[in-house]
Amino acid sequence: QVQLVQSGSELKEPGASVKVSCKASGYTFTDFAMNWVRQAPGQGLEWMGWINTSTGNPTYAQGFTGRFVFSLDTSVSTAYLQISSLKAEDTAVYYCARGVLSGVVIIRYDYWGQGTLVTVSS
Amino acid sequence: QTVVTQEPSLTVSPGGTVTLTCASSTGAVTSGYYPNWFQQKPGQAPRALIYSTSKKHSWTPARFSGSLLGGKAALTLSGVQPEDEAEYYCLLYYGGARVFGGGTKLTVL
Repeated sequence: QVQLVQSGSELKEPGASVKVSCKASGYTFTDFAMNWVRQAPGQGLEWMGWINTSTGNPTYAQGFTGRFVFSLDTSVSTAYLQISSLKAEDTAVYYCARGVLSGVVIIRYDYWGQGTLVTVSS
Repeated sequence: QTVVTQEPSLTVSPGGTVTLTCASSTGAVTSGYYPNWFQQKPGQAPRALIYSTSKKHSWTPARFSGSLLGGKAALTLSGVQPEDEAEYYCLLYYGGARVFGGGTKLTVL
């Protein structure tokens, strides 16, 4: 069965970096896109962008350029989200979500990871 | 800045029918926006319900349906169950970017 298992909660100081992992199983990793979604405490969902797991090409949403980096290790079917120069406002739950492509468009977001809470505090 | 608007909250009685909508600040929502709908309960990850306007995932209960209604994407719940109480989010495609709506908190009372 398809599963996306994310790494555990992180507590970081402002200015530090964090790397969140999303390990996929139950399907061919490179056949589906991987999306990242942020949810700040008590707030709604924000689409951060996606990475083409076949080519490694990332696409970042407005507001998620510069400090945010999507990467892959296809040998272990894992996608990563790295955030540098952390700020208090980066405190949120970060989700990975599998995307089904039709041509160049993701038409379907089906399986989601359980979420990783990143807390930024001194 | 593109804004996707949903009703902040709705209340429905058990067994009733309710329609949630998803509007775009750019104009009428069409099938080319590939509307997706998600359900999220407190403390849980979102769960996919509908994609490409009206298509259901294999796990989507039959009482959930998606459509286009009056220039908006719509999610209709027919025969609402107590377990349908949750936050519902739509997601629209904008030629490379995707934007979530602000969410609708559905109360079953």
